[in-house]
Amino acid sequence: QKEVEQNSGPLSVPEGAIASLNCTYSDRGSQSFFWYRQYSGKSPELIMFIYSNGDKEDGRFTAQLNKASQYVSLLIRDSQPSDSATYLCAVMEYGNKLVFGAGTILRVKS
Amino acid sequence: DTEVTQTPKHLVMGMTNKKSLKCEQHMGHRAMYWYKQKAKKPPELMFVYSYEKLSINESVPSRFSPECPNSSLLNLHLHALQPEDSALYLCASSPGRDYEQYFGPGTRLTVT
Repeated sequence: QKEVEQNSGPLSVPEGAIASLNCTYSDRGSQSFFWYRQYSGKSPELIMFIYSNGDKEDGRFTAQLNKASQYVSLLIRDSQPSDSATYLCAVMEYGNKLVFGAGTILRVKS
Repeated sequence: DTEVTQTPKHLVMGMTNKKSLKCEQHMGHRAMYWYKQKAKKPPELMFVYSYEKLSINESVPSRFSPECPNSSLLNLHLHALQPEDSALYLCASSPGRDYEQYFGPGTRLTVT
């Protein structure tokens, strides 16, 4: 079983700040990486996916991938209280199997 | 539209009952998945269907029986469950292998 590691948090940031969420993975052959947001009692919601080294931006979200360091991160700019949730990093294993990290709890304080 | 629907939203069943969970997507996706999620844990993969064929079974007990009647529908048949099977059951779909997966709202299952 390949591993995906995340700091469980909680990560607390003030409203308007940049939240930085980090994830490392063990399978050097992994090609596809995903970030999901999950509110308490709800299902995971896909917010970003990235396949190539570098940055990918979508609105206030930026995903960063460094395959050499086996590291993927999610930046949330201008954080809002509504961004408070658990953020799940997921990595696609060979065979179409998505492996999730344990999740990072983000709290944005107004 | 990236909508996956699941019914029922909530289900309470006894250990001797038989029930089914249903999942539907109309995005033309070719892969569908069942996950189980316990409180404060990440989703755990149970089954993967690719092009309506079962491609992954993560050593799930036989009291869980998946079925894919067509490319839009996925069922999970439940029989003789245990209280520890109580969890949120999530269905997901993706355009194909290695692509992003979209989750439905889930079915909250309680086994009494």
